[in-house]
Amino acid sequence: KAGVTQTPRYLIKTRGQQVTLSCSPISGHRSVSWYQQTPGQGLQFLFEYFSETQRNKGNFPGRFSGRQFSNSRSEMNVSTLELGDSALYLCASSLGGTGSNEQYFGPGTRLTVT
Amino acid sequence: AQSVTQPDIHITVSEGASLELRCNYSYGATPYLFWYVQSPGQGLQLLLKYFSGDTLVQGIKGFEAEFKRSQSSFNLRKPSVHWSDAAEYFCAVGVSGGYQKVTFGTGTKLQVIP
Repeated sequence: KAGVTQTPRYLIKTRGQQVTLSCSPISGHRSVSWYQQTPGQGLQFLFEYFSETQRNKGNFPGRFSGRQFSNSRSEMNVSTLELGDSALYLCASSLGGTGSNEQYFGPGTRLTVT
Repeated sequence: AQSVTQPDIHITVSEGASLELRCNYSYGATPYLFWYVQSPGQGLQLLLKYFSGDTLVQGIKGFEAEFKRSQSSFNLRKPSVHWSDAAEYFCAVGVSGGYQKVTFGTGTKLQVIP
């Protein structure tokens, strides 16, 4: 089975721009979660989507948004980029049922905001 | 809300020595517990998980962890460390139920010296 894929792997943007990151989950997985990882804050949960609905949300400003498509692929959007948004953005997929919430992570997208 | 504490930010061990990484969690019910490993610039890889049953859990790469409810701990162990084990290790706790809510610890960076 193919793993979780994220595109692009690296991205450089300018402050004020917007960016869209993409995540393709493992086949059959219906839940996709997004995390921001920085040296100072560690791994912080952004949001989770299940069957095209946002099911859970972390404590991030409204500039961070996401969506999920019918094939479970997910996109994350950050508008009006700030320097502090520079981070590794990780996507994780899981079956998403009421049982195990074991997550499988993609390699991440490294976003640099200048 | 659940929380995870990894008290050791950085640990150095000699190759061939035994390893124990500490993890303490806070959660009112029986948690789902995970250990992940992250190599530099990479996503997270699941080492092992505990959901229920046997409190000693075996994982990949020769790692094991023991769930101790009385101590709210889920420490990761390996009897003999290899240089390739140098990485950052994250403990995580997930809630039981119908949606993804996984909280990660701040990580322990492992250095292996020859």
